[in-house]
Amino acid sequence: IQMTQSPSSVSASVGDRVTITCRATQGINSRLAWYQQKPGKAPNLLIYAASSLQSGVPSRFSGSGSGTDFTLTISSLQPEDFATYYCQQANSFPHTFGQGTRLEIK
Amino acid sequence: QVHLVEFGGGVVQPGRSLRVSCAASGFIFSRYGMQWVRQAPGKGLEWVAVVSHDGTVQYYADSVKGRFTISRDNSKNTVSLQMNSLRAEDTAMYYCAKERDEYSSSSLDPWGQGTLVTVSS
Repeated sequence: IQMTQSPSSVSASVGDRVTITCRATQGINSRLAWYQQKPGKAPNLLIYAASSLQSGVPSRFSGSGSGTDFTLTISSLQPEDFATYYCQQANSFPHTFGQGTRLEIK
Repeated sequence: QVHLVEFGGGVVQPGRSLRVSCAASGFIFSRYGMQWVRQAPGKGLEWVAVVSHDGTVQYYADSVKGRFTISRDNSKNTVSLQMNSLRAEDTAMYYCAKERDEYSSSSLDPWGQGTLVTVSS
């Protein structure tokens, strides 16, 4: 299963609403996760099962979708949100990742 | 508090072998599958391998199948990745990660800090 994220990079300002999409080449039910990675750090789980917020993650992050099309939305960007975001399907092995979306400060 | 610490990385010549391991604490290790994910310098995340909670099931990425072996020791709370016939393209930070849900393949949380493997002559 191939995972394709769009856009590959996006520039936005603090307070903006940002949406990142992830598309699978075949249906993965709702078995999709979103991770945030900051430079020099390990990835951190934000969303699991497509729309469930991981404990400790701010509520401005949300996920939606099922089947093949998914979105990650950040409702009001904060300075600490500028990072790279990855989707990953957990429906069948290999658990492939998207190529990443780099979120930059405008 | 769940804690994962990888170790064993280093510089190795092409064609040689290296074993990286991950020590886990803060949870009932024998209930969770464990995975390895790698990241080449400046690149994205690449899923590598998984071992089931009891060590009986393993899956591998095509890029490492036949060269890498994942294993675990539930008595020592460790998971390892034996890497043979290493290639330059195996150069990466190797992360171990715990599956979020017990007894079920799922998303990964948390991740260790990673151990760097460099394959170079």
